[in-house]
Amino acid sequence: KAGVTQTPRYLIKTRGQQVTLSCSPISGHRSVSWYQQTPGQGLQFLFEYFSETQRNKGNFPGRFSGRQFSNSRSEMNVSTLELGDSALYLCASSLERGSEAFFGQGTRLTVV
Amino acid sequence: AQSVAQPEDQVNVAEGNPLTVKCTYSVSGNPYLFWYVQYPNRGLQFLLKYITGDNLVKGSYGFEAEFNKSQTSFHLKKPSALVSDSALYFCAVRDVNTGFQKLVFGTGTRLLVSP
Repeated sequence: KAGVTQTPRYLIKTRGQQVTLSCSPISGHRSVSWYQQTPGQGLQFLFEYFSETQRNKGNFPGRFSGRQFSNSRSEMNVSTLELGDSALYLCASSLERGSEAFFGQGTRLTVV
Repeated sequence: AQSVAQPEDQVNVAEGNPLTVKCTYSVSGNPYLFWYVQYPNRGLQFLLKYITGDNLVKGSYGFEAEFNKSQTSFHLKKPSALVSDSALYFCAVRDVNTGFQKLVFGTGTRLLVSP
């Protein structure tokens, strides 16, 4: 069974640009969550999608958005990039309440 | 609000010795507790979870964790450490009652196993 796939693995963007990251969950998993990992703030929850609906959102500005498609694939978008958005962005998928989340390898975003 | 604390930034242990990585949690209801490991430039790998039942949970790669409700702790343990266990370990909690999959992570503990 294929794991969680995130693309691209690495990105370099300029301040002010926008970026879209993609996540393909494990087959059959309907819940997809996104996290930001930085040395200073650690792992922080961005949002969770289930059956194409955002059902939970972390404390991030509106520049961070996401969506989920009918095949459970998810994308997150960051507009008007800032230097502080440089981070490892992790996607996780899970089956249902109580089950463990499986993480992708992450997308390393560098904003210059 | 739910939270977890990992009081040690780094744990050093010699290969072959037992290891413990500490985690305490705070949650209003019943917790789902997890341990993950992260190797450099990689995502998080699931090690084990506590949902309900036995307080001693066995997981991947010989790791186990003990759930202690009175001390609100969920310490990760391994009887005999390997150099390859050196990595960053995260404890996480999920609120049972919300039904959501949001995980709240600790700050992580770096485990260094010396040969």
